[in-house]
Amino acid sequence: EVQVVESGGGLVQPGGSLRLSCEASGFTFSSNAMSWVRQAPGKGLEWVSAISSSGDHTYYADSVKGRFTISRDNSQNTLYLQMNSLRAEDTAVYYCAKELRIAGTTVAFDYWGQGTLVTVSS
Amino acid sequence: EIVLTQSPGTLSLSPGERATLSCRASQSVSSTYLAWYQQKPGQAPRLLIYGASTRATGIPDRFSGSGSGTDFTLTISRLEPEDFAVYYCQQYDGSWTFGQGTKVEIK
Repeated sequence: EVQVVESGGGLVQPGGSLRLSCEASGFTFSSNAMSWVRQAPGKGLEWVSAISSSGDHTYYADSVKGRFTISRDNSQNTLYLQMNSLRAEDTAVYYCAKELRIAGTTVAFDYWGQGTLVTVSS
Repeated sequence: EIVLTQSPGTLSLSPGERATLSCRASQSVSSTYLAWYQQKPGQAPRLLIYGASTRATGIPDRFSGSGSGTDFTLTISRLEPEDFAVYYCQQYDGSWTFGQGTKVEIK
């Protein structure tokens, strides 16, 4: 059974840092690209960042570029999101998602974790 | 950046009725990269449709997707009680974006 489990959320002051983790199981983690998607309270979904299966290629939404860093440890089946210079508008549930690849291209996100809440407030 | 606009914002229907949800893109979207998700309160999104019309694993056949270019549709042929939820469309054009969602509520 495919599972992805996020952790590391919590309350942080504006300007602070936090590192999220996502532990994956039930699939070959090292063969799959992964993404982070967030959802502010009562709002819609916003893609945040993605990383290739090897970790060589990373991608970011403009809203987090230069502040967030995505990485992975394939030996530990774990995905990370380092979040620096946090702002109130970063408050959201952060989901880890496995990318579905068809014929070598990512077409959707087929498995999601339950999310971890990040609250940025003084 | 391509903007996805979903309509209506809320759809009030009864179990057994047909639901038709619209997703309109500000520019043409490749069908390969158009997906639909269902989200229930307190839960993660669940992939329903990818490639505009292909059902994901385990998704009942009452869910169907169609469309091309700038206009895409998710249809639920006969609403079951568990289908009342929020639905999002998603696209990729170098960056992933989501529509704002359509809530399907019980009338």
